[in-house]
Amino acid sequence: DQQVKQNSPSLSVQEGRISILNCDYTNSMFDYFLWYKKYPAEGPTFLISISSIKDKNEDGRFTVFLNKSAKHLSLHIVPSQPGDSAVYFCAAGTGAGGTSYGKLTFGQGTILTVHP
Amino acid sequence: NAGVMQNPRHLVRRRGQEARLRCSPMKGHSHVYWYRQLPEEGLKFMVYLQKENIIDESGMPKERFSAEFPKEGPSILRIQQVVRGDSAAYFCASSPAIGNNEQFFGPGTRLTVL
Repeated sequence: DQQVKQNSPSLSVQEGRISILNCDYTNSMFDYFLWYKKYPAEGPTFLISISSIKDKNEDGRFTVFLNKSAKHLSLHIVPSQPGDSAVYFCAAGTGAGGTSYGKLTFGQGTILTVHP
Repeated sequence: NAGVMQNPRHLVRRRGQEARLRCSPMKGHSHVYWYRQLPEEGLKFMVYLQKENIIDESGMPKERFSAEFPKEGPSILRIQQVVRGDSAAYFCASSPAIGNNEQFFGPGTRLTVL
């Protein structure tokens, strides 16, 4: 019962180009979404989040888009840099209003490789 | 301004032994979460605790696993009578009582059961 899915196990992109990582979810109760970046042997690092009341959130080179009707979100990285090479996880949770509510449900991750 | 601390970073146990994993949340954070990552998989939620209270343990195996977050000291994830299938990376995360929904993760403890 995979409520959050990242269907692309890996993505390879040239430096300077756009990286687009995708994520689908099935649980309509999810109302906030996060993207984490993870290097080997380290914990996930928070990148960017979005509440279900928005359809876009931007932070520097990172933009997250949310399509609630399609239950789909994506992370855009522009321009991509070799240091962006890592595993990217999307995660979803419930509990709007700015308070942490509890567990996050993670996707399986997408390995992003940015070639110089 | 230390982040989430976990120790040990690596833990090796033989089958049947006990494993104790410790997590100190970020300063000012009173919510602690434990997740497990099996090889080639994403992180799976195990338990959510506040000081002296278990809020959600829906992801915890019914036997051998327990967690606590005492009034003083770190949160402890305890695995009794470990089996090879317990080998995984265990991550702790913390968040503030009131704030945004971000959870900040520690570096993880890699448990290997021989």
